[in-house]
Amino acid sequence: EVQLVESGGGLVQPGGSLRLSCAASGFTFNTFWMHWVRQAPGKGLVWVSRINTDGSSTSYADSVKGRFTISRDNAKNTLYLQMNSLRAEDTAVYYCAMGVSERLNRWGQGTLVTVSS
Amino acid sequence: SYELTQPPSVSVSPGQTASITCSGDKLGHKYVCWYQQKPGQSPVLVIYQDNKRPSGIPERFSGSNSGNTATLTISGTQTMDEAEYYCQAWDSSTGVFGGGTKLTVL
Repeated sequence: EVQLVESGGGLVQPGGSLRLSCAASGFTFNTFWMHWVRQAPGKGLVWVSRINTDGSSTSYADSVKGRFTISRDNAKNTLYLQMNSLRAEDTAVYYCAMGVSERLNRWGQGTLVTVSS
Repeated sequence: SYELTQPPSVSVSPGQTASITCSGDKLGHKYVCWYQQKPGQSPVLVIYQDNKRPSGIPERFSGSNSGNTATLTISGTQTMDEAEYYCQAWDSSTGVFGGGTKLTVL
């Protein structure tokens, strides 16, 4: 069974940093692209970033470009999102998702990031 | 930047057909996916490549995409289908979601 378990969320001050993790199991992690998607409280889904199978290619939404870095450790079956220079508007539930071609096939349960002083 | 526009809400009576639209410039030239999200839950893929259903998704869910508009259709809508629905497409290497449509079944 495919499982994606996010962790690392919490309360952080504006300007601070946080690293999210997504532990994957139940599938061959190193053969799938992976994504991060976020959802602010009471708001819609927003795509954040994606990474290819070996980590050599990444893409970002304009709103996080230069501040967030996506990476993966295929030996540990884990996806990461390093978030720097955090702003109040980054407050959201962050989901990791498994990509198959153009679609996000399976999603984790999400981890909440709150940016506030 | 590329935008996808959905109506904020759609209402349907049980057993009737619900249609949710998603509009974007030349959207018919892109593949569209649809996700269902129920309160407190993670999104679930219900349609991919415009009109394909993942395994486990009921046949009452279907999709189409032409011109500037993609449509998610739910035939014989059930109360369990009440949820938020999001369309999604790719613009170059960037993912784009619509703003979401709240489907109410009453």
